[in-house]
Amino acid sequence: DTAVSQTPKYLVTQMGNDKSIKCEQNLGHDTMYWYKQDSKKFLKIMFSYNNKELIINETVPNRFSPKSPDKAHLNLHINSLELGDSAVYFCASSQARSGTGTEAFFGQGTRLTVV
Amino acid sequence: GENVEQHPSTLSVQEGDSAVIKCTYSDSASNYFPWYKQELGKRPQLIIDIRSNVGEKKDQRIAVTLNKTAKHFSLHITETQPEDSAVYFCAASSPNSGGSNYKLTFGKGTLLTVNP
Repeated sequence: DTAVSQTPKYLVTQMGNDKSIKCEQNLGHDTMYWYKQDSKKFLKIMFSYNNKELIINETVPNRFSPKSPDKAHLNLHINSLELGDSAVYFCASSQARSGTGTEAFFGQGTRLTVV
Repeated sequence: GENVEQHPSTLSVQEGDSAVIKCTYSDSASNYFPWYKQELGKRPQLIIDIRSNVGEKKDQRIAVTLNKTAKHFSLHITETQPEDSAVYFCAASSPNSGGSNYKLTFGKGTLLTVNP
């Protein structure tokens, strides 16, 4: 009964390939996110969705396309993978609350290695 | 947009000592400040958070202080133990025009090592 689960945990692929990462949360949260953690451990937001609607797109290359079929799922598709895309990608969710933030719960991460 | 600076980047203490990590933020509208702990190979997990209407919050050995005027907040860990060794991240969040917070901006992290 993992709260935020993402698959796969590891992904090794060649440059130029297209890959997807899936994320599901069973917390009933309205908001879901994708974060990228690079080799220096810096956590940077990529996308934020609220009730299936894109709220934030942090100048991510359009090779990255998130999709939210319902508020419990947020998938990430990456086209034409490049070496620089190698990182750990974290999905997260939180409950929207007017006027303040709330705890974000993270998935276990997907370590993407592009060779 | 928001910018969060975190210091130090590495911190080594002896078991039983205290550890302090400091962060500053740039957006005066930020109103939510969580701290996350990330152990090696694991996901970030919330350890404590503070909202802008509170100046200090404590949970056992962990405390956070917030100075809104100076736009800085700090994490204090007392009586450190080897299992406290991890990367700690501060973050800040501000509401959008609709009044909800949809983005956490993280500091670059502090690697804390507690030596037995």
